[in-house]
Amino acid sequence: AQSVTQLDSHVSVSEGTPVLLRCNYSSSYSPSLFWYVQHPNKGLQLLLKYTSAATLVKGINGFEAEFKKSETSFHLTKPSAHMSDAAEYFCVVSDTSYGQNFVFGPGTRLSVLP
Amino acid sequence: NAGVTQTPKFQVLKTGQSMTLQCAQDMNHEYMSWYRQDPGMGLRLIHYSVGAGITDQGEVPNGYNVSRSTTEDFPLRLLSAAPSQTSVYFCASSYSLGIYEQYFGPGTRLTVT
Repeated sequence: AQSVTQLDSHVSVSEGTPVLLRCNYSSSYSPSLFWYVQHPNKGLQLLLKYTSAATLVKGINGFEAEFKKSETSFHLTKPSAHMSDAAEYFCVVSDTSYGQNFVFGPGTRLSVLP
Repeated sequence: NAGVTQTPKFQVLKTGQSMTLQCAQDMNHEYMSWYRQDPGMGLRLIHYSVGAGITDQGEVPNGYNVSRSTTEDFPLRLLSAAPSQTSVYFCASSYSLGIYEQYFGPGTRLTVT
């Protein structure tokens, strides 16, 4: 069965500094991996996804993530944080098996300080 | 395209009442699902459907029923509401399983007193 660990429940950065949100996964199959963002009192928006093509994936709003199979990681980064990046971020793993697909991590809350 | 729509946006129920949360999508997606979101726990799958007439249980199905009579609609029924069902509920759809991202509705905030 798949599982996702997000190593930090809360990350705080200053505006203009880099962002690193960490995600490790467990999957029995070749996984697809996703990052979603949820702004306060809003729904979930897809940031980026990895589906076995290039291991470095670029997403919206300057975010990117690198798939590292040897480390079972899919960390999310951004070179320079903006105030509007303050939100909850979810790492998701999905494999090709039938059934309870699309497992969410517990989330990381990103705060951006002025 | 409206995408995934959910009604109502907010609901307050008394313990023991029943209600239906509505979900519809206009993308002709086969896969639809319901999640609940509780603080510190991410989203947990309640029920899902891989097509009209086919539903199955997710991680936390107790106290909830679903049916899928059309491709577009996937309602979630609370049979007898309990305070433990206070949560935010999200409906989602995708083209299929595996590599395809899910599209989420705006959510329904439910409080059971």
